[in-house]
Amino acid sequence: AQKVTQAQTEISVVEKEDVTLDCVYETRDTTYYLFWYKQPPSGELVFLIRRNSFDEQNEISGRYSWNFQKSTSSFNFTITASQVVDSAVYFCALSEADYGQNFVFGPGTRLSVLP
Amino acid sequence: DSGVTQTPKHLITATGQRVTLRCSPRSGDLSVYWYQQSLDQGLQFLIQYYNGEERAKGNILERFSAQQFPDLHSELNLSSLELGDSALYFCASSVDRDEQYFGPGTRLTVT
Repeated sequence: AQKVTQAQTEISVVEKEDVTLDCVYETRDTTYYLFWYKQPPSGELVFLIRRNSFDEQNEISGRYSWNFQKSTSSFNFTITASQVVDSAVYFCALSEADYGQNFVFGPGTRLSVLP
Repeated sequence: DSGVTQTPKHLITATGQRVTLRCSPRSGDLSVYWYQQSLDQGLQFLIQYYNGEERAKGNILERFSAQQFPDLHSELNLSSLELGDSALYFCASSVDRDEQYFGPGTRLTVT
């Protein structure tokens, strides 16, 4: 069965610091998808990224970057030069392609960016 | 605004009752997903529909059921409600396997 672990329950940083959120996953599938979602204090869920298991290239989007390493089953998320608006709960998720979009979410990491 | 609408926004009901949550996907999106978020269980995938047919099932209880109608809106029916069913229920939509757009959620409180 698939599983997603986000070992960091809460992280606090000061604005402009870089921060990395860890995500480790378990799956027996060879084809799968990994996701990151953001849930700001307002409560809505915001999609950040989807990565399939065959694409190990790192991705950068503005201040956000993702490091996918199959060898360690990790899909870590880094925010560079954090801002107060980055304060949110961040969820990593895994979908095993054979089961369609059957998602498993990690427990989330609450990031607080202090001014 | 994601383009996904959910009604009602809040719902308070008693144990044993039945409620229906409604979701309208973004225009053009064929897939609808339902999720439950609670303090105890975190975020859980419940079920997915694609163009009216069930595609994937997650941790959905037998007391819960869902359907997607020809106009692609979806309803999640929760029956014989228990205190533990109190949660935020999210709907999301996507074209197929693409990124999901989430609605604002329905907060269900069972008393």
